[in-house]
Amino acid sequence: QKEVEQDPGPLSVPEGAIVSLNCTYSNSAFQYFMWYRQYSRKGPELLMYTYSSGNKEDGRFTAQVDKSSKYISLFIRDSQPSDSATYLCAMTEPHGNNRLAFGKGNQVVVIP
Amino acid sequence: DTGVSQNPRHKITKRGQNVTFRCDPISEHNRLYWYRQTLGQGPEFLTYFQNEAQLEKSRLLSDRFSAERPKGSFSTLEIQRTEQGDSAMYLCASSLGSGGGSYEQYFGPGTRLTVT
Repeated sequence: QKEVEQDPGPLSVPEGAIVSLNCTYSNSAFQYFMWYRQYSRKGPELLMYTYSSGNKEDGRFTAQVDKSSKYISLFIRDSQPSDSATYLCAMTEPHGNNRLAFGKGNQVVVIP
Repeated sequence: DTGVSQNPRHKITKRGQNVTFRCDPISEHNRLYWYRQTLGQGPEFLTYFQNEAQLEKSRLLSDRFSAERPKGSFSTLEIQRTEQGDSAMYLCASSLGSGGGSYEQYFGPGTRLTVT
């Protein structure tokens, strides 16, 4: 079983829709959770960063963490064509080397 | 402010050749990471530096791979006797060395390696 599971299935939504992405994980030691956005042939760009359980909102983006279920989510409201990208979840344990464990990524296409 | 930079952006090499990639982290960041990403997968951790010290290497990093970070500034990743399976995007990331910001890793644009 991989540490982080993310269904890589492509997701196409009409402009203005809500995009919902999620990941599950198996390592209960993970405490820090991130979402990265990656455009084709570019490096990942840090979008959201949360610690432990709870919600965090930044503009049109909301990240949720449910540690009891080992489940994290990212919501994108009022999606725009410029949101079309691959979204990667990542997580790490506190202390130590802080290596990030990534999901496979979700390709999102927002159709104008 | 400049972010993380990587050179070259693309490298095509023949099997058996050696290649070297360079990463320049964000200037105040003393942690530096190398990851490898293949098509349709998320990045996988390769190795990590705290200043000039290489503190951890993944089992993915075979003996043909070596990384250095002289003087705790830029880093190089060398692959000797390249194989077709080495074809991937090599990503460098950096972060602060301590405190809450140490969990926020900022990535460079990557070096795409193609081994023919």
